[in-house]
Amino acid sequence: EIVLTQSPGTLSLSPGQRAILSCRASQSITSNYLAWYQQKPGQAPRLLIYGASTRATGIPDRFSGSGSGTDFTLTISRLGPEDFAVYYCQHAKAFGQGTKVEI
Amino acid sequence: DVQLVESGGGLVQPGDSLRLSCEASGFTFSRSWMTWVRQAPGKGLEWVANIKNDGREKYYEDFVQGRFTISRDNAKSSSYLQMNSLRVEDTAVYYCVKLEWLVLHWFFEFWGRGTLVTVSS
Repeated sequence: EIVLTQSPGTLSLSPGQRAILSCRASQSITSNYLAWYQQKPGQAPRLLIYGASTRATGIPDRFSGSGSGTDFTLTISRLGPEDFAVYYCQHAKAFGQGTKVEI
Repeated sequence: DVQLVESGGGLVQPGDSLRLSCEASGFTFSRSWMTWVRQAPGKGLEWVANIKNDGREKYYEDFVQGRFTISRDNAKSSSYLQMNSLRVEDTAVYYCVKLEWLVLHWFFEFWGRGTLVTVSS
């Protein structure tokens, strides 16, 4: 069973800065089957990225995913005020514990 | 637009039962796998169960095996989660989610707003 570990737990940044979030798998993930989600307080999660690097419909291009094997990254190129949230990675039934991006 | 609307949550005592419902619209429900994902207060996301589009295959996380049952009614575009023998640790917001596949890659495409289940004596 794959375990996903996200780092850092919390990322403190300012609007306009770049955010780099990491997701590490306990074993290699087949064909980059990894997804990322954004969750704002009091809201349901929203799909951002699937297949490690494909943006979901309507997701701005400042969000990008990369990586392969056991190491994956979500990059937010320029943080907007609306991007401060918790981000989760997912593979099959496993979720990472989340990274909070805060001001 | 895709909409998933959950209902049926509430406050129950340990050992009680509860049935969650999810009404779907905006996509071809009968062609879609559906999922329930839960989130305990202040915690992360936890997959609960999947059901295939025709209802013939169901999968559960170990901690709910034998207590929870996922089902669906394609004529009503609805998915359900029957929860029996509820425990305090089942307290969570339960999300109804449309599952999507990319070859063997499954991910959670659309989420409902969730319904809160509180198990407390």
